[in-house]
Amino acid sequence: DTEVTQTPKHLVMGMTNKKSLKCEQHMGHRAMYWYKQKAKKPPELMFVYSYEKLSINESVPSRFSPECPNSSLLNLHLHALQPEDSALYLCASSQVPGTPTYEQYFGPGTRLTVT
Amino acid sequence: AQTVTQSQPEMSVQEAETVTLSCTYDTSESDYYLFWYKQPPSRQMILVIRQEAYKQQNATENRFSVNFQKAAKSFSLKISDSQLGDAAMYFCAYRNGNAGNMLTFGGGTRLMVKP
Repeated sequence: DTEVTQTPKHLVMGMTNKKSLKCEQHMGHRAMYWYKQKAKKPPELMFVYSYEKLSINESVPSRFSPECPNSSLLNLHLHALQPEDSALYLCASSQVPGTPTYEQYFGPGTRLTVT
Repeated sequence: AQTVTQSQPEMSVQEAETVTLSCTYDTSESDYYLFWYKQPPSRQMILVIRQEAYKQQNATENRFSVNFQKAAKSFSLKISDSQLGDAAMYFCAYRNGNAGNMLTFGGGTRLMVKP
């Protein structure tokens, strides 16, 4: 099973709302990622978790708050977002570095619209 | 820092014909991996093919093959017998060997397949 799932598929939220995005994988991967993708652009890395610990934060504003409750789950908590945060948010997972094959597997994404 | 360049923002191909997507990269590392990812309009990013830098043999996956020219830092993707389902954004991506798990993406090439 090489599937990464994400919920919800679509989310519309106001600038004062608090919402969360969820990502799940059951491939035994110990590295998980959040990306932001604007239309017709490549994904931009936001966060990396390795063994459930935050290992990379690409200078993401604090209105985005990641959480990794266990090795299968990754959340992205959203609060006081701006309209420019509207984008496709992709989750990915992989084996950790040093494993022979650790390509990233992507989920289908959550289309976020901030009004 | 590594950079990945895809010089063709858009390409089109007639169904059943062959098309080649270009990718060049810049790195001072000797151990690295290269990938082609496909993102159809349904959004999910799918790994198409990967190439280890230490392997001289070009990777192939069914109708997809690469032309890896290490000295020229070129990594093109050839799609043979193009099908309507091949229409998508294609992203070339680079990752260092064992140093980390961050992907560097090219800007993408939108491939259209004409029936």
